[in-house]
Amino acid sequence: SYVLTQPPSVSVAPGKTATIACGGDNIGSKSVHWYQQRPGQAPVLVIHYDSDRPSGIPERFSGANSGNTATLTISRVEAGDEAVYYCQVWESRGDYPDWVFGGGTKLTVL
Amino acid sequence: EVQLVESGGGLVQPGGSLRLSCEVSGFAVTTNYVSWVRQAPGKGLEWVSVIYSGGTTYYAESVRGRFTISRDTFRNTVYLQLNSLRAEDTALYYCAREGSSSYDAFDFWGQGTLVTVSS
Repeated sequence: SYVLTQPPSVSVAPGKTATIACGGDNIGSKSVHWYQQRPGQAPVLVIHYDSDRPSGIPERFSGANSGNTATLTISRVEAGDEAVYYCQVWESRGDYPDWVFGGGTKLTVL
Repeated sequence: EVQLVESGGGLVQPGGSLRLSCEVSGFAVTTNYVSWVRQAPGKGLEWVSVIYSGGTTYYAESVRGRFTISRDTFRNTVYLQLNSLRAEDTALYYCAREGSSSYDAFDFWGQGTLVTVSS
């Protein structure tokens, strides 16, 4: 099955830029979505289709996807951005589709 | 306003059964895909099952043959029947909306219902 690999943790100081990677075989050929999950809350979509922001998501959140790596970038990081971030793709495996999540990256704001 | 509200979770013994419900509002289950996604305690997200707008269903390999997804279009509710439950099925079960394509993201999520499988 398709595997998405994320670093377990990323730390960044407030006001700086955080970059979270999501690795997968030729992931650049797939559409990647990113979710933010704060403690005790349901996931929230922050980036879809590699780089599009849903309504209500700050411009500080951006995404890119090429080759074997997709990235989520959070500029001017705030304390409220502390959360676990998951990447996700869809793939077709013969007769069966599969919605695949990365293992998640915990963003710590120092 | 789009909302999804899960219910039906609880404590069940190994081998037991449970039926989860996901009542949706703000959209019709006949126009969007609805999936179940679970999260074991302290772990990541795992897709479980989907029901397409046209009614086609699919399952993750880990639950195939044990779980069944269905819907009631009049009640605008999606169900997940969990049979032959195992300890590793213990998780918070979310229902989530997609667009009308498998490529779409899960743009709205419920708050989840907790399933605990233990003797």
